Order: sequence, then C-alpha cells, then structure tokens
Amino acid sequence: DQQVKQNSPSLSVQEGRISILNCDYTNSMFDYFLWYKKYPAEGPTFLISISSIKDKNEDGRFTVFLNKSAKHLSLHIVPSQPGDSAVYFCAASALEWGGSEKLVFGKGTKLTVNP
Amino acid sequence: ETGVTQTPRHLVMGMTNKKSLKCEQHLGHNAMYWYKQSAKKPLELMFVYSLEERVENNSVPSRFSPECPNSSHLFLHLHTLQPEDSALYLCASSQDITGGTNTQYFGPGTRLTVL
Repeated sequence: DQQVKQNSPSLSVQEGRISILNCDYTNSMFDYFLWYKKYPAEGPTFLISISSIKDKNEDGRFTVFLNKSAKHLSLHIVPSQPGDSAVYFCAASALEWGGSEKLVFGKGTKLTVNP
Repeated sequence: ETGVTQTPRHLVMGMTNKKSLKCEQHLGHNAMYWYKQSAKKPLELMFVYSLEERVENNSVPSRFSPECPNSSHLFLHLHTLQPEDSALYLCASSQDITGGTNTQYFGPGTRLTVL
C-alpha cells in the first residue's frame, strides 16, 4: 500500500501561469515533507521542504503548503517557466522505531511548461 | 567534484557477470543510501548506512551486496542479477539518519541493464 500518493502522473501548464502539484499521504506519523525535481538522466534534486509544525514554506517561485488534517500537501510554482519541466517527486519521512528516519517517495508527476 | 557522484552512469551486464556501482559524496555527510527506481514505481530504499554501519536492509535479495568502507564512499556489488533488476540505481547522502529535518541529496544514478 502506497503511503505517499501523487495521483496525477502528468501536468501541462502554460509559461507564466501557476503550476500546482499535489500529494496525499496516509501515515499520520510523517513529520517532514520534501519535494524533489528530476530531469531525465539525472538524480532527483532537492527543491523545498516543510516540517509538520508549519503549514507553508516559501522559497522564491516555489511554495509548499501542508494540510495535516487532510493529509495533503501541494507545491505551487509561480510563474512557471519552461525550465521547470521535469518530474516532481513528493517525499515524506517519519522517525522510525530504532531512531532512523526513512524517506517514502511518491511515483512522481511529470510537469511540462509550454512556452 | 561536489555533491554526490556515481560511476558508472550506464552499465550493461549479463546475468552471470559481477560488477560494482560506486558512489562518493563530497558533502561531509554521515549517512548514505542506495535506492532503486524502476519504471512507473516510486523510489525504493534498498540500504542505509550511518557512519559506515548498515542500519537498514529492506529485504533486498542477496545478489545485491553493499559496502561502505568510509563515510564518503558507498559501493553496490552486483552478481548473478536478473533482467527484472534493470533499473536506475540512485545513491544519496544526508547529514545524519535522524534529526527531524533530514534532507537527502542524490547522485545522478547508474542506469543498469541486465541482459
């Protein structure tokens, strides 16, 4: 059973508009959430994160929102640029028994920003 | 070199071959990870090392054998693989395995094809 779900495999947006990528999770023990961006033939690159004690974190054009009651987070990119075209992975972590944190990833959403 | 590097970037091997994947991190981190990414699946955690000690082994077949000689280097030794082991193998590192806000940084991956 997938604990982190990205239900949209792909998203297409016009340059300059807002991109909204969504992620749902099932494990209420998750306390830290991250977004990674991945270009073809490269490894995932860390983009932005949010702790469960916050509901919003902003970094330039990227904002992550966390709704703990709905177990939902989203990544907003505004304005979207063609260079943002990539696969975006949502990830979550929880402190496991034994003291180590483990990242659980979603399947990814492929974002295409059209010029 | 900066960040996390992986060699080789591409590898084609037969089922009877023995090969090794190498990962090196230049971030001064204490934890290193191996992940497997198969098509249309989330990243799957394979192994976790903290200060050169293995702390996680997610039911990975014994034909995958990790080695961490020091906190900067991680190897994945491969032998008698199956075609279904073909995937992108990603290495990552983080400052520690605990801490509540543990961001993992990924290498570019090794694209493995088993014939």
